[in-house]
Amino acid sequence: EPEVTQTPSHQVTQMGQEVILRCVPISNHLYFYWYRQILGQKVEFLVSFYNNEISEKSEIFDDQFSVERPDGSNFTLKIRSTKLEDSAMYFCASSRSGAGGFGSTEAFFGQGTRLTVV
Amino acid sequence: AQSVAQPEDQVNVAEGNPLTVKCTYSVSGNPYLFWYVQYPNRGLQFLLKYITGDNLVKGSYGFEAEFNKSQTSFHLKKPSALVSDSALYFCAVRDMNTGFQKLVFGTGTRLLVSP
Repeated sequence: EPEVTQTPSHQVTQMGQEVILRCVPISNHLYFYWYRQILGQKVEFLVSFYNNEISEKSEIFDDQFSVERPDGSNFTLKIRSTKLEDSAMYFCASSRSGAGGFGSTEAFFGQGTRLTVV
Repeated sequence: AQSVAQPEDQVNVAEGNPLTVKCTYSVSGNPYLFWYVQYPNRGLQFLLKYITGDNLVKGSYGFEAEFNKSQTSFHLKKPSALVSDSALYFCAVRDMNTGFQKLVFGTGTRLLVSP
């Protein structure tokens, strides 16, 4: 069964450093997402990406964050200058279609990257 | 704005007994509703969804959920719980009228099934 894969599974970085979290979505999916889960808290939406551009982002997704689909398979989240409060589990997800008239399909999530900022 | 409430932090049930994990939602339009399960150190796994049609939705691992529009609820159920069902369960909603893609998750309910 196809799945979303994320690397690395765990990353430790020093405050102020840049990190790139990597994801390989399911191959025939068109919508890509990043979510995060701070320890013990709920899963929060960061950004959605479709047709090579951001389609929606939350207030969490400020100028320190960026996403990119550098080739046909990878989808990355970059945090330019990490802060302690960026420590969280980051989940990548993908879906074949989105909401809004095309029928809705579920998003499939990767296993997450645990980011620890020290 | 979309929101989801899961009123119970934890649900305890004995193996073999029926289980219910509660979820209520709030959206301005019509909802797409989802249940996901998270096992320790794992990602979110899709269980089931409600888009339209029959109010009783069947999903993976014997789970089902009932959409109740008047009560704005989407409770997750299983007739007979297994110890292996012990995990963290998240309800999520997407407002199909906005065209936005994001899922809004509840705070999660920990299900503990005792032998």
